[in-house]
Amino acid sequence: GIQVEQSPPDLILQEGANSTLRCNFSDSVNNLQWFHQNPWGQLINLFYIPSGTKQNGRLSATTVATERYSLLYISSSQTTDSGVYFCAVGTGDMRFGAGTRLTVKP
Amino acid sequence: GAVVSQHPSRVICKSGTSVKIECRSLDFQATTMFWYRQFPKQSLMLMATSNEGSKATYEQGVEKDKFLINHASLTLSTLTVTSAHPEDSSFYICSAIRGLTGYEQYFGPGTRLTVT
Repeated sequence: GIQVEQSPPDLILQEGANSTLRCNFSDSVNNLQWFHQNPWGQLINLFYIPSGTKQNGRLSATTVATERYSLLYISSSQTTDSGVYFCAVGTGDMRFGAGTRLTVKP
Repeated sequence: GAVVSQHPSRVICKSGTSVKIECRSLDFQATTMFWYRQFPKQSLMLMATSNEGSKATYEQGVEKDKFLINHASLTLSTLTVTSAHPEDSSFYICSAIRGLTGYEQYFGPGTRLTVT
């Protein structure tokens, strides 16, 4: 099956810093999504981005489908950005990466 | 707002008993829903695909007789953990494809199951 790798596994930032999270996948996909899992476990949809670039406030994402990777950019990070960020691919039965655990310190 | 709900949000049960978890799509119909399991500090693992009006499809290694799935309507799928054991304690999350933007999936808030 398709493999999804995320890097880095852990990231510690000072508030206000920028960061880039990466997601590599092993096969072509029709769907790629980025999620933020909050402390209560809820998966928050950040981006549905099988290809191209999208922006939403301080967050943006780019997927280069031909090269099988996606990037999530977080600018001017805030403490509320802390949590686990997951990349997932697939149409239906989604496969998740292991996640990036982000800690933003005040 | 939330597009997929789950009930209960947390449940504690004794070993050997059964627990039912409900997953509902709000204001849209979902012919297919998905059940995932997440152990502490780990990623989500797909357990099964729930198909309305037909049998569920289980991932390799998931016991279909232990995790019973019923998708009786276009807005409701249930997962029943039968004869629960402490190792079944986990966070169970369901999802559905809303269909407005292609294949984008929405996830429920999850159910934390603790088996004592």
